[in-house]
Amino acid sequence: QKEVEQNSGPLSVPEGAIASLNCTYSDRGSQSFFWYRQYSGKSPELIMSIYSNGDKEDGRFTAQLNKASQYVSLLIRDSQPSDSATYLCAGASSGSARQLTFGSGTQLTVLP
Amino acid sequence: DARVTQTPRHKVTEMGQEVTMRCQPILGHNTVFWYRQTMMQGLELLAYFRNRAPLDDSGMPKDRFSAEMPDATLATLKIQPSEPRDSAVYFCASGLGKMSETQYFGPGTRLLVL
Repeated sequence: QKEVEQNSGPLSVPEGAIASLNCTYSDRGSQSFFWYRQYSGKSPELIMSIYSNGDKEDGRFTAQLNKASQYVSLLIRDSQPSDSATYLCAGASSGSARQLTFGSGTQLTVLP
Repeated sequence: DARVTQTPRHKVTEMGQEVTMRCQPILGHNTVFWYRQTMMQGLELLAYFRNRAPLDDSGMPKDRFSAEMPDATLATLKIQPSEPRDSAVYFCASGLGKMSETQYFGPGTRLLVL
């Protein structure tokens, strides 16, 4: 079982809707979490990081962290076709190593 | 615009041949990661370095893979001998200091072993 689990999707939403991407993790010691966006054939691109319980907003993106439930989510408001990509959730290990464990990704398609 | 660079971008080789992939981290970043991505396994950490010292290579098949960082501007990943199951995209990422979990990825090397 992977330490970071994501709904593999695919997830389709109409343009202008809210896309909700979810992630759970098993390492209770994980302190920081990241969302990467990966377009087909491209490398992962960091879009959000979150370290504390609650919400963190950046433009149309909102990351949510609930450490008690070991749950991380990413909301994309006013989804655009250009948001169509695979979204990877990652958690940083609790030790000094600070390495990331990635989920398998959720493929999002925003329909025009 | 600071970026991680990787060479080659694409590599096709025959089974048994040696493959060397290179990475130039973002200037000033002291942590370098090597990942492999496949459809089946997703993104897997192979090895990483901090201040040029290897910290963890437990994700790497030791018998055929080796990773080095001969200087602060160059990291290498070598496969010898290569096998068809090594076909994947290999990414290098770099980070800085205590926040090295904030990682920036290079464009990747797409490897096909025939």
